[in-house]
Amino acid sequence: GAVVSQHPSWVICKSGTSVKIECRSLDFQATTMFWYRQFPKQSLMLMATSNEGSKATYEQGVEKDKFLINHASLTLSTLTVTSAHPEDSSFYICSAPGLAGGTSQETQYFGPGTRLLVL
Amino acid sequence: DAKTTQPPSMDCAEGRAANLPCNHSTISGNEYVYWYRQIHSQGAQYIIHGLKNNETNEMASLIITEDRKSSTLILPHATLRDTAVYYCIVSYGKLTFGQGTILTVHP
Repeated sequence: GAVVSQHPSWVICKSGTSVKIECRSLDFQATTMFWYRQFPKQSLMLMATSNEGSKATYEQGVEKDKFLINHASLTLSTLTVTSAHPEDSSFYICSAPGLAGGTSQETQYFGPGTRLLVL
Repeated sequence: DAKTTQPPSMDCAEGRAANLPCNHSTISGNEYVYWYRQIHSQGAQYIIHGLKNNETNEMASLIITEDRKSSTLILPHATLRDTAVYYCIVSYGKLTFGQGTILTVHP
């Protein structure tokens, strides 16, 4: 299946700093990517849809000025957590749509996630 | 997206088949049934998906009832590495994750 990578895999930062997380589709192109956040013992929550060449679409309740998304190319989307605070500590996961193996149907392929700890 | 209902947890003995049920009584005609899993502290992994017909791949089988209101994911020979949270999602486009089923495979 398709491979999606994320960098960094974990990051610790001081409160008030900004953190950038990269999501790359390694062997396919993605005009759309998705960003999720997951708190401990909770499910994945969709934050926003990243669109190559246009603005991201944010889910209700997600601050677009807080979580800046840039879809710079067909294989790269970045999520920047601006002025991070301890409550932003979470597991951030991206996904990109690709063809399910041996079919012509699309499914989502997920990155390994980035664990953010804000002190 | 339609909502799904899954049991919060299930156990399975290693080597036996694991059958994970999912109810999606409000599924609409163009929505697919997807199954993903998340092993602890990792990203989600695609398992299988289907629309109407039963599907099988190298990982699992998906059985969808004729009325499409429920489905079952079957892991034919569960191993310890299959211990994970399994998510059943019905969608045409964006994925909305519920709480999933915690499957524990024990020796």
